[in-house]
Amino acid sequence: GAGVSQSPSNKVTEKGKDVELRCDPISGHTALYWYRQSLGQGLEFLIYFQGNSAPDKSGLPSDRFSAERTGGSVSTLTIQRTQQEDSAVYLCASSSAAGPPTKGKNIQYFGAGTRLSVL
Amino acid sequence: DQQVKQNSPSLSVQEGRISILNCDYTNSMFDYFLWYKKYPAEGPTFLISISSIKDKNEDGRFTVFLNKSAKHLSLHIVPSQPGDSAVYFCAASEGNTPLVFGKGTRLSVIA
Repeated sequence: GAGVSQSPSNKVTEKGKDVELRCDPISGHTALYWYRQSLGQGLEFLIYFQGNSAPDKSGLPSDRFSAERTGGSVSTLTIQRTQQEDSAVYLCASSSAAGPPTKGKNIQYFGAGTRLSVL
Repeated sequence: DQQVKQNSPSLSVQEGRISILNCDYTNSMFDYFLWYKKYPAEGPTFLISISSIKDKNEDGRFTVFLNKSAKHLSLHIVPSQPGDSAVYFCAASEGNTPLVFGKGTRLSVIA
């Protein structure tokens, strides 16, 4: 597709259940990022993938969170044993490469996000 | 510890006037700064960026000013249009590190 696609757009789950969120980046983009935005907060970095390098997981809030990127394209963010504080909008972004962002290069393009509600 | 701060949660401006959105940061190692715009139910979209070696970057109605000594940047929108009504996020990066975002400022342009 032309842009970053995320699914589902909305997810309601019960506390303690596992959820999987999917991201389809822009074709050809080697860098992929996951962020989350809690109510009234800015975007919080979670994890990013760059090509075949080991992902930067420094933003993951706990070991209940994990992500993978298969074949250098689609990524899945998994949250195990969800808690109410996990409720947020989860945003995925991709860029042509990881590096200093300048106009037209290495700019992160975002999907519309998945709104996760944990009851 | 917020490294990027947008202290005004909201701003209202009349159509045709200038909108000024402010952003402060604490990390002197940041070398790129960006502004993103976000409409409801959509992802943020890139608006404009500036390198730390510059103090101004202009793109049409949008101009970003950087004051490194004050660790402050601002986004000017002139003239403001109703379609500019959105949440504006300031973001910064240090080298290849992921972007650090502020909490956003909601701009309302009143016709």
